Order: sequence, then structure tokens, then C-alpha cells
Amino acid sequence: GENVEQHPSTLSVQEGDSAVIKCTYSDSASNYFPWYKQELGKGPQLIIDIRSNVGEKKDQRIAVTLNKTAKHFSLHITETQPEDSAVYFCAVPPALGGANNLFFGTGTRLTVIP
Amino acid sequence: KAGVTQTPRYLIKTRGQQVTLSCSPISGHRSVSWYQQTPGQGLQFLFEYFSETQRNKGNFPGRFSGRQFSNSRSEMNVSTLELGDSALYLCASSGGGRSEDIQYFGAGTRLSVL
Repeated sequence: GENVEQHPSTLSVQEGDSAVIKCTYSDSASNYFPWYKQELGKGPQLIIDIRSNVGEKKDQRIAVTLNKTAKHFSLHITETQPEDSAVYFCAVPPALGGANNLFFGTGTRLTVIP
Repeated sequence: KAGVTQTPRYLIKTRGQQVTLSCSPISGHRSVSWYQQTPGQGLQFLFEYFSETQRNKGNFPGRFSGRQFSNSRSEMNVSTLELGDSALYLCASSGGGRSEDIQYFGAGTRLSVL
């Protein structure tokens, strides 16, 4: 299956600063790259995704960049707020498609210090 | 539109028992995937059902099984429970069942095996 590596495992930033989380994947045929946010006591929630035909996507304070050549994609959160504190997961579906499952990174615990 | 609903939210069982967890997907969604989340192994794919058929299966022993009903609701069963089965079990639904379709997660069922 797909090998997904995520860094860092923990990240602390001051409120208002930016946070960057990076994921690398192994299968060059992968074409869909979602990011999920998981708050305490809740299931993962999709916050942004990107498809392989674009290099960057932005939604307000959140952006994702994709480098298919290097097989990595990154989540960027600007002007961080305390409510951004959560665990963030990147994910990659199987490259062959035909089934709906995701390979998840190991997660990044983001703490935004007020 | 109601989200993905998982019941029960919490379960306590003892070793050797069996357990059944339930998942009601978003209305109109035909694909249901199950994941196990533990601190040590992270989020791991169990299996996926699409139109009542198991379409894909992760690397878990045969004690883990599931099914999907004609209304797309799904159940997963774990027999002969072991201590290591203690985890948060997450269900995700998606519409078309393609690998790049967005998966929406429920809040999960937290299973504790004593």
C-alpha cells in the first residue's frame, strides 16, 4: 500500500504565526491529496484537498501546495488562532483507484499558544 | 443534511466477547469505509463497502468483519475480542465510491476491551 510520512509530529506556534505541515508519499500515480483536522472527541473533518492537476489551492487562511515531482504536499495555516489547535492528518488514496480507502499520515498535533 | 452517525459512542467489553458497531452514512452515499484509530498505529483502513459488497479490505485478521445493508447502513463486527482491539473505530461515507471522492467521518465508537 501507499507509504505516507508526515512531519512534524508536534508543532507549537504563537497565535498569529504560520504553521506548515508536510507529507510525502510513495506512489507517483496518486492524484488526490486531502487534509483532515481532528478535534478532541470528534472524527476527522476534511479541511482542504488538492488534485494532481493543480499545484496550489487556497481557502481563506488555509492553503495546500503539491509537488508531484518530489512526491510531497504541504498544509499551510496562516494567522493561526487558538481554535486551530487540533491534530492534522494528510491522506492519500490508493493510486490504482477503484476503491474508497485512504492511507493516512501519522498526524501532527498543532498547539496555538494565545 | 445529517452527517455520518455512529452508534454506540462508547463500549466496554471483556476479552473473548464480540461486539457490533453501527454506522449510518450521509443520505445518498453508497460507500462506507471503516477505520481503526489507535495511538500506536494511527488511522488504519479496515474495509470498505459499496452497494452491499465488500470492495476492499485492509490488513486485519478475520475476526474483523462487516456488512452493508440495502439502505447503505453498515455494521462491523469484532469477534473474540483482544486487549489490542481497544481503539476508536471510525466510519466514513462517500457518494460515488471513487478513490478521489471526499470521505465524511462520523465521531467514532470508542471501544475499550478489559
